[in-house]
Amino acid sequence: AQSVTQPDIHITVSEGASLELRCNYSYGATPYLFWYVQSPGQGLQLLLKYFSGDTLVQGIKGFEAEFKRSQSSFNLRKPSVHWSDAAEYFCAVGAVTGFQKLVFGTGTRLLVSP
Amino acid sequence: GAVVSQHPSWVICKSGTSVKIECRSLDFQATTMFWYRQFPKQSLMLMATSNEGSKATYEQGVEKDKFLINHASLTLSTLTVTSAHPEDSSFYICSATGTENTEAFFGQGTRLTVV
Repeated sequence: AQSVTQPDIHITVSEGASLELRCNYSYGATPYLFWYVQSPGQGLQLLLKYFSGDTLVQGIKGFEAEFKRSQSSFNLRKPSVHWSDAAEYFCAVGAVTGFQKLVFGTGTRLLVSP
Repeated sequence: GAVVSQHPSWVICKSGTSVKIECRSLDFQATTMFWYRQFPKQSLMLMATSNEGSKATYEQGVEKDKFLINHASLTLSTLTVTSAHPEDSSFYICSATGTENTEAFFGQGTRLTVV
């Protein structure tokens, strides 16, 4: 079965500093990978997704992620964090039976310090 | 992008009553909808998958008689929490996708509190 691991429960980054959120997945075939952001009490907003092709994926709000098959990773990055980026970030993998059916990681809470 | 609207955004109900949550796709036909549950400070767990006009497929451990899902049209799915108890208090989120979509679109979520 698929699984997703986000090893960092929370991360604090200074405003303007770079950010990398880690995500490792377990999947037998080529995965469909997603990053979502959730603000408190809100639904999920898709930041970016990887299906195939270029392993470096550009998303909204200046985020990007790199798919590394050899490491089973799909880390999310942003070169300069803004205070408004403080939120919960979820990595997800599409299920075998349908890539829109998602298995989520446990999430990483991003705190941005002044 | 496609818009999914979930209603209500929050609801408080008494223990033993039933609560219905609606999930609507506003600008596309949602052939499949997914219902997730999120406990505080935890991840989202898939409860069930519903295809328009068919019975929902529930994940292991989810009580289908307690969480009734109906997907009678291509724009609406409902989740009814029957005989709600305090342990059902949670954040429920739906997502929807159509045959032309490469992703599922999420609603805003519903905060259910059972007192």
